[in-house]
Amino acid sequence: GENVEQHPSTLSVQEGDSAVIKCTYSDSASNYFPWYKQELGKRPQLIIDIRSNVGEKKDQRIAVTLNKTAKHFSLHITETQPEDSAVYFCAASGGANNLFFGTGTRLTVIP
Amino acid sequence: GAVVSQHPSWVICKSGTSVKIECRSLDFQATTMFWYRQFPKQSLMLMATSNEGSKATYEQGVEKDKFLINHASLTLSTLTVTSAHPEDSSFYICSARDGAGGPMFFGPGTRLTVL
Repeated sequence: GENVEQHPSTLSVQEGDSAVIKCTYSDSASNYFPWYKQELGKRPQLIIDIRSNVGEKKDQRIAVTLNKTAKHFSLHITETQPEDSAVYFCAASGGANNLFFGTGTRLTVIP
Repeated sequence: GAVVSQHPSWVICKSGTSVKIECRSLDFQATTMFWYRQFPKQSLMLMATSNEGSKATYEQGVEKDKFLINHASLTLSTLTVTSAHPEDSSFYICSARDGAGGPMFFGPGTRLTVL
């Protein structure tokens, strides 16, 4: 099955700096890669996703890049704000309907 | 995005009792729903895939007789934790995809505490 690895597990940045979280996947058949933000005690919220026919996607301060050859994808958050502090999960999905999640990154934005 | 609701949001029960958690897709139909368990500061662990009108598919290590799943309609799946024990205490979250290959949306989760 699919194996998704995520790094780093924790990340602290100063407000206004950029944050980058990286994930790798093992199944070359995976074609959908969403990113979720989860605040303490709340549900994961989809913040951005990318499909395998696209190399990059951007939504305001958030961008995701995908390298199919290397089987890795990354989340980029620019101009970070304290409200960006949360746990971020990457995921991958292929022919099966479910998502395989990374282990999460706890992002702390220091004011 | 699509909305997935979950009820109850939290429950406290005595050891040995059973607890039912409901997951509903409010504005779309979901032939498949997913049940996850999440321990503090850890990732989401897929427990089972709930299939409308057929048996659920359980992940390795998940006891199907302990975690009963019923997906009776296209908008409702239920998870029953039978004979709950303190080690079953956890955050349970359901999810559903809006269309084949579509984005996955999560319910708000149910925090179960077994005394």
